[in-house]
Amino acid sequence: DAKTTQPPSMDCAEGRAANLPCNHSTISGNEYVYWYRQIHSQGPQYIIHGLKNNETNEMASLIITEDRKSSTLILPHATLRDTAVYYCIVRLTGGGNKLTFGTGTQLKVEL
Amino acid sequence: IAGITQAPTSQILAAGRRMTLRCTQDMRHNAMYWYRQDLGLGLRLIHYSNTAGTTGKGEVPDGYSVSRANTDDFPLTLASAVPSQTSVYFCASSREPYNEQFFGPGTRLTVL
Repeated sequence: DAKTTQPPSMDCAEGRAANLPCNHSTISGNEYVYWYRQIHSQGPQYIIHGLKNNETNEMASLIITEDRKSSTLILPHATLRDTAVYYCIVRLTGGGNKLTFGTGTQLKVEL
Repeated sequence: IAGITQAPTSQILAAGRRMTLRCTQDMRHNAMYWYRQDLGLGLRLIHYSNTAGTTGKGEVPDGYSVSRANTDDFPLTLASAVPSQTSVYFCASSREPYNEQFFGPGTRLTVL
């Protein structure tokens, strides 16, 4: 699986959009970009994933650049409950059971 | 409520003792996983099962065993616990091996 690079920490004001970047410059054509988050002391939570098109669900939006070397997870209206570590994971579809969690981005949402 | 449960929530165990961590899901997912999470090392896959009756080794399988007798349950056994197995253990499941994984609340295990 391709390696990902994320900033170690970010702050966001409550109610504002949180934009979390991820670099995955060695991604291959059949690798998906997944995002998970882990709220303190809880199990990781799946957020969203995509291949090349932008994706949106009830939790977030995923914007993938045209060359697929980077992506951004957008939480449109961050709340205090969104404070968590966010993990960007690149993963082959149809193969490999392992999710390789890096160190992620610690997002702190403040009043 | 549909989901994935783990038991116990936490446990303190003497070194050398046998321990089984339980994991049950009611989503009829085919694939299940065990991870451990240690400070500074992130989550690491211990064992996995793509479907009932099959299991496979992850990246840190030594000292652990699993079984998958049915779809719902995926217990993790430490035959003879050692202090280096002190960790938080997460069970996860996915509809198929390549789908997104859903995690349980975790078991905090301390081996003294």
